[in-house]
Amino acid sequence: SSELTQDPAVSVALGQTVRITCQGDSLRNYYASWYQQKPGQAPVFVIYGKNNRPSGIPDRFSGSSSGNTASLTITGAQAEDEADYYCNSRDSSGLRVVFGGGTHLTVL
Amino acid sequence: QVQLVESGGGLVKPGGSLRLSCAASGFTFSDYYMTWIRQAPGKGLEWLSYITNSGNNIYYSDSVQGRFTVSRDNAKKLLFLQMDSLRPEDTAIYYCSRERGGEFAAFDIWGRGTMVTVSP
Repeated sequence: SSELTQDPAVSVALGQTVRITCQGDSLRNYYASWYQQKPGQAPVFVIYGKNNRPSGIPDRFSGSSSGNTASLTITGAQAEDEADYYCNSRDSSGLRVVFGGGTHLTVL
Repeated sequence: QVQLVESGGGLVKPGGSLRLSCAASGFTFSDYYMTWIRQAPGKGLEWLSYITNSGNNIYYSDSVQGRFTVSRDNAKKLLFLQMDSLRPEDTAIYYCSRERGGEFAAFDIWGRGTMVTVSP
């Protein structure tokens, strides 16, 4: 399969921890990357590789992977973390790229 | 600073063509794979194509294979997306992005996007 599956929506109370997951066969062979997108803005790269944060991304964002599932965890969610989150990876062939459908995170 | 700027979007009729450009600055363009991604209104991100740093290898999604063509001019630090046989379902914001060196499908720099509308 060349698909990545994400829950459409997740909510978290302010200051609590939330995990956003991404499932797909390709994740057994390739790490996922994660992107945050706020309304009207381009996506922002937040996690890549085993658990790497680009410069400028707060350390409350972390990534993990097990089997066919990749996870993005936000520890101590802030109001500004409310956004859509997308995962992606190479597909199972390694020649193309696939995105998950996205998860809308609401911070209550 | 490191930047990507897309241009060339607009309104086009079904069956028409459009050529998008992406201007890179602030980094050694010829060292990086580049990619095109789009987002239809209210929808998620859809990967379209990537081109290796030399331009020798290009891969497309099934949805645009045979209709869209990606190319690059490393001397001018430009990435292109030639879109032919456009359909209403191609209406979207089109983003160019840089793939982080050595990291598969890790798109670390994005442009702001350019809007393409396909409508009679």
